[in-house]
Amino acid sequence: KNEVEQSPQNLTAQEGEFITINCSYSVGISALHWLQQHPGGGIVSLFMLSSGKKKHGRLIATINIQEKHSSLHITASHPRDSAVYICAVSAGGGADGLTFGKGTHLIIQP
Amino acid sequence: KAGVTQTPRYLIKTRGQQVTLSCSPISGHRSVSWYQQTPGQGLQFLFEYFSETQRNKGNFPGRFSGRQFSNSRSEMNVSTLELGDSALYLCASSPLWGAGNTIYFGEGSWLTVV
Repeated sequence: KNEVEQSPQNLTAQEGEFITINCSYSVGISALHWLQQHPGGGIVSLFMLSSGKKKHGRLIATINIQEKHSSLHITASHPRDSAVYICAVSAGGGADGLTFGKGTHLIIQP
Repeated sequence: KAGVTQTPRYLIKTRGQQVTLSCSPISGHRSVSWYQQTPGQGLQFLFEYFSETQRNKGNFPGRFSGRQFSNSRSEMNVSTLELGDSALYLCASSPLWGAGNTIYFGEGSWLTVV
């Protein structure tokens, strides 16, 4: 069974700061997902990675398969980035039996 | 294009009752998965369906079941409800089953068991 650890659990930063959220997993995977959850419950998929690096706007996600580690970076953070960020891994890819981290609660203060 | 639709959004049930939650995936998506989210356990995978077949199941008791219809719509059922079943139940869809698919979540169904 894969164990997924996220750090930090909570993060408060000032608007404009560079944010890094880390995710480590214990067993080899075929895909890693970064998800964003706002108050009220809705979850949005930010990235799906199997190798390398992806960028979307101010968000960057990287994965190191050998080290079993991924990072999510937010550049020029904004209060609207305040949310819970969740890392999830899949042994079979896609939505096949995802294992989730406990999430990082991010607050960006103006 | 309409997103993933879950109904009902909110419901309250009594211990011992059963509940059915519904999920309509994005048009053209054939894979539907279900998740439970609680403050204590976080997000946990329940099961996944593709082409009306259950492809994977999480570590939940047999009281939790589901099915998928030929139009890819899915339902999950929880029988003999317990207080600990109070949670946000999320459904997600993706175009296909297997590697390389982004998953799209619905807004969830908030279940309270009293």
